[in-house]
Amino acid sequence: QVQLVQSGAEVKKPGASVKVSCKASGYAFYNYGVTWVRQAPGQGLEWVGWISGYSGDTNYAQKFQDRVTLTTDTSTNTAYMELRSLRSDDTAIYYCTRDYSAIYPWYFDFWGHGTLVAVSS
Amino acid sequence: EIVLTQSPGTLYLSPGERATLYCRASQTINSNFLAWYQHKPGQAPRLLIHGASNRATGIPDRFSGSGSGTDFTLSISGLEPEDFAVYYCQQYGSSPPRLTFGGGTRVEIK
Repeated sequence: QVQLVQSGAEVKKPGASVKVSCKASGYAFYNYGVTWVRQAPGQGLEWVGWISGYSGDTNYAQKFQDRVTLTTDTSTNTAYMELRSLRSDDTAIYYCTRDYSAIYPWYFDFWGHGTLVAVSS
Repeated sequence: EIVLTQSPGTLYLSPGERATLYCRASQTINSNFLAWYQHKPGQAPRLLIHGASNRATGIPDRFSGSGSGTDFTLSISGLEPEDFAVYYCQQYGSSPPRLTFGGGTRVEIK
């Protein structure tokens, strides 16, 4: 069965970086993409970016373009999201998802359990 | 960027009633590339509908999606207790790709 297992909660200080991992299993990683979505406390869902499991091509939300890097390790079917220059309003649950397309960001048919990133001085 | 506006913000209904949720886009969504998700507290969101009207695998047929262009609807016929949740629409039709979500509609028990 499809599983996306994310790394544990992180507490960071403003200005620091965080790297969240997402290990995929139960499907052919190269046939799909990985999209990252976040939800700040009391807020809705927000798209962070997408990476192709096939080519490693990326697309980022303009809001995060300068601060986020998505990567994959195809030897372990693991995706990573690194967010730099953290601010308090980056405090959120970050979800990795299986994006239905390896070509273009599309929709997300499986979701990880989420990783809480808390930014506080 | 395509802005998605969901209405109403909160819907108060009783089990067994029909829910109708709306999602309006600020511009035409190409190929009706619109999805709907259900989100319950403490859980990951779940895909319900993609391509505006295609139910995802395992989704009960009481959930249906419709619409095209800029106006889309999610209907839930006969609310079950487990359907009370927040629902989000999401578009994936913009080029270059700039995926966006609506602000959500909360379906609460009356």
